[in-house]
Amino acid sequence: QGQLVESGGRVVQPGGSLTLSCETSGFPLSSYGMHWVRQAPGKGLEWIATIYYRGTHQFYADSVKGRFTIYRDTFQKTLYLEMTSLNADDTAVYYCARNGLREVSGGHFCDSWGQGTLVTVSS
Amino acid sequence: EIVMTQSPATLPVSPGERATLSCRASHSVSRDLAWYQQRPGQAPRLLIYGASTRATGVPARFSGSGSGTEFTLTVSNLQSEDFAVYHCQQYYDWPLTFGGGTKVEIK
Repeated sequence: QGQLVESGGRVVQPGGSLTLSCETSGFPLSSYGMHWVRQAPGKGLEWIATIYYRGTHQFYADSVKGRFTIYRDTFQKTLYLEMTSLNADDTAVYYCARNGLREVSGGHFCDSWGQGTLVTVSS
Repeated sequence: EIVMTQSPATLPVSPGERATLSCRASHSVSRDLAWYQQRPGQAPRLLIYGASTRATGVPARFSGSGSGTEFTLTVSNLQSEDFAVYHCQQYYDWPLTFGGGTKVEIK
């Protein structure tokens, strides 16, 4: 199983921007699709973005489409989530997660999760 | 969007007993259904994928069943570490969607 460590969460003002990082180890990032999933305080899990293992396709939830960008650096073994135009509804713990199947453009469940990083949008 | 509905929201169970959790999809997801366990303050942990395949290291007391729109997670002989929130997730279609979760609590 891989290891995932998120960082970058902090308090940010409404309308602000923030980039989260997810350092990976123990597996080749180029062989796995990756996901970002968030959890607002006291709420359930919400999928927000996926990047295919080839890096050729990205998918976004409607709630973040046009504002968030998922990308990766396979040499740095790091996944990123760039977030812009943040609002209070974006306040959540953000998890990065590894796709459960290797080198397939499907099977989008998550078999490894990071510990999460908290983003708070508040003035 | 495929809406996932979990029931009940809270399930009181005594240690050593069996818990049966339900997850319903608004449209068929075939068997593209995963279950996760989330303990307080922790990240989710994959338990089941493909509706019934246990993930690596998951004890045999966890079992999943179902297909189409109706799915069940059964936890037999509940241990203290099993009291947690359980989430289902469909990966049949975009957007990926989770259920609202079922909290299994000590009765």
